[in-house]
Amino acid sequence: QKEVEQDPGPLSVPEGAIVSLNCTYSNSAFQYFMWYRQYSRKGPELLMYTYSSGNKEDGRFTAQVDKSSKYISLFIRDSQPSDSATYLCAPQQAGGYNKLIFGAGTRLAVHP
Amino acid sequence: DAGITQSPRHKVTETGTPVTLRCHQTENHRYMYWYRQDPGHGLRLIHYSYGVKDTDKGEVSDGYSVSRSKTEDFLLTLESATSSQTSVYFCAISGAGGTNYGYTFGSGTRLTVV
Repeated sequence: QKEVEQDPGPLSVPEGAIVSLNCTYSNSAFQYFMWYRQYSRKGPELLMYTYSSGNKEDGRFTAQVDKSSKYISLFIRDSQPSDSATYLCAPQQAGGYNKLIFGAGTRLAVHP
Repeated sequence: DAGITQSPRHKVTETGTPVTLRCHQTENHRYMYWYRQDPGHGLRLIHYSYGVKDTDKGEVSDGYSVSRSKTEDFLLTLESATSSQTSVYFCAISGAGGTNYGYTFGSGTRLTVV
């Protein structure tokens, strides 16, 4: 079993839709949960992160973590064509040095 | 990508030849990483470094070696390139092991082994 599972998509939605992107993980030691966005032929860039369970909002983006079910979500409100990219979840353990573990990424296409 | 540069951006090489990819940072970050990205596999860690001359293996290190003689440079060498090493290679840096800071990625090197 992979430590992080993510549906690869592709996910195609109309402009203005609410998008839900999800990951599951198996390691209960994960404490930090990051989302990266990767445009075509570019490197991933950090979009947002949360610590432990709960929600975090940043503009049109909301990250949600449910540690009891080991489930991570990223919601995009009022999706725009510029949101078309691959989104990767990346959980991490706390304490000392711990590598990020990346999901395979979900490819999102927002069409006008 | 501010502060991190990968070279070359594209390379085509023949099977059996050695290849070296370079990652250069101007952020003075302690940690540097090499990943490969393939369809269906996402980002997989090849090697990482936690200081000058301090390196360790990742999950897919076979056939790869690294060196870090200066804080700013992290080299990835494919000792004898194979077709299975055709991939996009990303370098990343972080200042504090990634926690609370995440990683900053370079723009990638697209390597084709023929």
